[in-house]
Amino acid sequence: DTGVSQDPRHKITKRGQNVTFRCDPISEHNRLYWYRQTLGQGPEFLTYFQNEAQLEKSRLLSDRFSAERPKGSFSTLEIQRTEQGDSAMYLCASSFGINSPLHFGNGTRLTVT
Amino acid sequence: AQKVTQAQTEISVVEKEDVTLDCVYETRDTTYYLFWYKQPPSGELVFLIRRNSFDEQNEISGRYSWNFQKSTSSFNFTITASQVVDSAVYFCALSVVLTGGGNKLTFGTGTQLKVEL
Repeated sequence: DTGVSQDPRHKITKRGQNVTFRCDPISEHNRLYWYRQTLGQGPEFLTYFQNEAQLEKSRLLSDRFSAERPKGSFSTLEIQRTEQGDSAMYLCASSFGINSPLHFGNGTRLTVT
Repeated sequence: AQKVTQAQTEISVVEKEDVTLDCVYETRDTTYYLFWYKQPPSGELVFLIRRNSFDEQNEISGRYSWNFQKSTSSFNFTITASQVVDSAVYFCALSVVLTGGGNKLTFGTGTQLKVEL
């Protein structure tokens, strides 16, 4: 049973550049989530997909952020015109079934210089 | 609004000691779920337990036990006979059901547990 996979593990970028992260959920999981975690804090919800439909977005997700899950399998999270405040760990999670536990990936650590 | 408070920022114990991690939550919902996750240095959040608001029975799993008390809005986690491998950050989380049956988790700030020899 392969877990949630995220790529890349680390990303260093200069302010103003665009970045894209990928998440591959557990294969039978139809729900996919993105969270962001900053140092010393718990993860914060960003967005949620059921299959290919994006059903919920946090107010934390500014216009510079966009997430897709085109075929209901893998998902991408893009950040345009990155800012230093975007530096964080971006976590992807997936689940199957109503109220099921979320299974998290190892995350992508973004550093904006 | 949902809120989870983990007042203990860091706890240090010596191996084999018992340790309790506190979690207090706030919600207006009558139906909700509570979770505990472990985050070792590798970074991956590992699911430990889920509890729904209608089930106040305490649960034990090996050296782990959980005490859910609705009257005090607390969901505390105890590790018995702690081991060095238990060293990690532990997060308590409260969920809201989303459209389509997903869960939106509100996490506490975590408790860093250090178990020393």
